Amino acid sequence: KNEVEQSPQNLTAQEGEFITINCSYSVGISALHWLQQHPGGGIVSLFMLSSGKKKHGRLIATINIQEKHSSLHITASHPRDSAVYICAVSLFGNEKLTFGTGTRLTIIP
Amino acid sequence: DVKVTQSSRYLVKRTGEKVFLECVQDMDHENMFWYRQDPGLGLRLIYFSYDVKMKEKGDIPEGYSVSREKKERFSLILESASTNQTSMYLCASSLSAGGFLGEKLFFGSGTQLSVL
Repeated sequence: KNEVEQSPQNLTAQEGEFITINCSYSVGISALHWLQQHPGGGIVSLFMLSSGKKKHGRLIATINIQEKHSSLHITASHPRDSAVYICAVSLFGNEKLTFGTGTRLTIIP
Repeated sequence: DVKVTQSSRYLVKRTGEKVFLECVQDMDHENMFWYRQDPGLGLRLIYFSYDVKMKEKGDIPEGYSVSREKKERFSLILESASTNQTSMYLCASSLSAGGFLGEKLFFGSGTQLSVL
């Protein structure tokens, strides 16, 4: 069983909709990452957080350490937001990241 | 901006060939990583390095080796390529500040390797 679970696996929405992608993990962590992968393969780090909430433009990431859960929100979604969004965690005592399998987001104009 | 450059975007090799995948970063990062990405499995760590000439096995090191002779360059070697090594290979780096728990990663654009 993967220690990092993402939902949904696939999400299709209309332009302008508010998007939420969820990530749950099963063990204590030191930090959680949200990554974006566009078609073609390149991965960009969006956020790294260990508590609370971070915002960058239309993207917001939150984490609840007690519930072992994080969400990535996109406001006023746009077709250029179409990508795979990946959650990854740094586990306590383990310098390696454990990755979720990703959420494929498609925004339709 | 940090740049992580992988030498090839697409690569086609024959079974049994020795394959070199090169990765170079330009920000003096101490930590470098090689991952492979397969559909439905997410990214899996093959090897990582936290210093020149240092290397550590990741989750799936079998069939691979690595070399880090210079700080900026981390090479992944497939000693004898097999069809089950067909995959997307991603290199990443991060700055170490006394320990690399929770360090932000910077990725290369990936190499899609096909072994025939």
